[in-house]
Amino acid sequence: GQQVQQSPSSLVLQEGENAELQCNFSSTATQLQWFYQSPGGSLVSLLSNPSGTKHTGRLTSTTVTKERRSSLHISSSQTTDSGTYLCAIDNTGANTGKLTFGHGTILRVHP
Amino acid sequence: DPKIIQKPKYLVAVTGSEKILICEQYLGHNAMYWYRQSAKKPLEFMFSYSYQKLMDNQTASSRFQPQSSKKNHLDLQITALKPDDSATYFCASSQRQIANSDYTFGSGTRLLVI
Repeated sequence: GQQVQQSPSSLVLQEGENAELQCNFSSTATQLQWFYQSPGGSLVSLLSNPSGTKHTGRLTSTTVTKERRSSLHISSSQTTDSGTYLCAIDNTGANTGKLTFGHGTILRVHP
Repeated sequence: DPKIIQKPKYLVAVTGSEKILICEQYLGHNAMYWYRQSAKKPLEFMFSYSYQKLMDNQTASSRFQPQSSKKNHLDLQITALKPDDSATYFCASSQRQIANSDYTFGSGTRLLVI
């Protein structure tokens, strides 16, 4: 089965609304990262958050390790936030740097 | 200036031919990776290298061969190309000894095999 499941698969917001993205994973993760993939395809690391809560700008990630879930909260969304948000974990325990990605949440923010 | 350079950005190849995808990183990272993104599939890990040594290989086919001539280079040679190889190939890097080191991705090479 799928090791990293993200929900919702897509989300449409009006500018200014908040977004809550979910990531559930099937095995213990030593590392968890959230990425943003632009409509043009480039990938940017947003947050590394294997446990607890982290903030950066308008983004807040909360990971509950023993429940194998993480969330990404985007506050006061902007049209430039549109794109795909990807959750990725390292669940190998082998420190080889292998990340397993989810399918992503496609976010569209309308003006 | 881009921190990870991938070349070419777009590539069209004929079935059965061989191509090399280039990747150079200027972040001083000690680990480099290749990932593939095909239509309707999540990003898939292919290889990881650290200090020019292979750490992990999740690619079933020997047609995919990474090549590391320098610490900050990790090229990907693909032989006997097939249409199913059509995808965007991303190179990435990180600082392996730093816990939860951020990964930096290149802008990708979009490969179309006809």
